[in-house]
Amino acid sequence: RKEVEQDPGPFNVPEGATVAFNCTYSNSASQSFFWYRQDCRKEPKLLMSVYSSGNEDGRFTAQLNRASQYISLLIRDSKLSDSATYLCVVDRNDYKLSFGAGTTVTVRA
Amino acid sequence: GAVVSQHPSRVICKSGTSVKIECRSLDFQATTMFWYRQFPKQSLMLMATSNEGSKATYEQGVEKDKFLINHASLTLSTLTVTSAHPEDSSFYICSASDGENYGYTFGSGTRLTVV
Repeated sequence: RKEVEQDPGPFNVPEGATVAFNCTYSNSASQSFFWYRQDCRKEPKLLMSVYSSGNEDGRFTAQLNRASQYISLLIRDSKLSDSATYLCVVDRNDYKLSFGAGTTVTVRA
Repeated sequence: GAVVSQHPSRVICKSGTSVKIECRSLDFQATTMFWYRQFPKQSLMLMATSNEGSKATYEQGVEKDKFLINHASLTLSTLTVTSAHPEDSSFYICSASDGENYGYTFGSGTRLTVV
């Protein structure tokens, strides 16, 4: 079983729509969770950390469900610039990170 | 913010040659550097972790004699792909941490093509 699994998508949505997707992780001891954004052929960039109580950063909302071991990301009022691959990232409990393969989101005009 | 410079951004080499990739932290001291590899449509896979002045720790399945890592200073780590083969063609990315929790900063990546 992969350490981090994501629906690869793609999620094709119109501008202004809401899009949400999850990832699951296998290591129940993981303590830190992140969403990264990766544009085509570029390096990943941190979008937001994910906290136990859930957190919001502008149009982005992240949720963590420890019991079911999944993390979600919701994007409201999608912009064309939100088109990217979103990587779910989980710590391995040794200060190393495990990356999901990414969920591709395409926002169309 | 923290910046990590990675060079070259793209390299094409002949099979059997060696390629060196550099990763520099520009405005902070990178106590730990991580090297990843990413094949198309796949996740970043950690290859090795290096701490300044000590030998790198390689992930299972990564050949340490093929992927030589040097972390000689707090601002520079290098990855050398020795005797490269077409199957080594991939996107190699470094990330650096100053030791504060998960304050990772990624380099811009190196796209290696072995022909």
